[in-house]
Amino acid sequence: GQQLNQSPQSMFIQEGEDVSMNCTSSSIFNTWLWYKQDPGEGPVLLIALYKAGELTSNGRLTAQFGITRKDSFLNISASIPSDVGIYFCAGLVHGSGNTGKLIFGQGTTLQVKP
Amino acid sequence: GAVVSQHPSWVICKSGTSVKIECRSLDFQATTMFWYRQFPKQSLMLMATSNEGSKATYEQGVEKDKFLINHASLTLSTLTVTSAHPEDSSFYICSARKWTSTDTQYFGPGTRLTVL
Repeated sequence: GQQLNQSPQSMFIQEGEDVSMNCTSSSIFNTWLWYKQDPGEGPVLLIALYKAGELTSNGRLTAQFGITRKDSFLNISASIPSDVGIYFCAGLVHGSGNTGKLIFGQGTTLQVKP
Repeated sequence: GAVVSQHPSWVICKSGTSVKIECRSLDFQATTMFWYRQFPKQSLMLMATSNEGSKATYEQGVEKDKFLINHASLTLSTLTVTSAHPEDSSFYICSARKWTSTDTQYFGPGTRLTVL
């Protein structure tokens, strides 16, 4: 079945540093979504990407939809303590039946040292 | 953005009882909602797809008689865990599909179920 490989699995960085994480797949996706999940909460949508090559920013966050449609990255600039959490990528395939089911990466746990 | 709510946010019940969890899309209509289960430090595991006005579609290995799903309106889906047992204790999260010119999913805040 379809899988997303998300890396790194975890990161421990100093406040103010930039962060980069990515997801790759052997399958093509039509939509890439990046979510952040805080402990005990549901995932919150950060950025949605709908076109190959698309580069989208949301404040200090920037994400890109790979040209091959098989990968995406998320960058966080000038990290702050509240960036701590688990970041998930998710891909959506508009295939037969168009179920809207998301395929999730394994998550990247980010810890920021003040 | 879009807002999805879940109720209750946490519930503790005795083994053998049934628990109902509600998922509502507050500011948009969702013909499709999804129910996930999440174990500690793991990614989300899709349990079923809830379709308004029709039967839910369950993922392989998920017991449909155990996890009853009803999607009676365009803004409400419910998940009922029947005859709950301690192994059903988990974090349950719903999402609602917002499909206009783009296709996106928004998640609820989750429900922590503890079965004693």
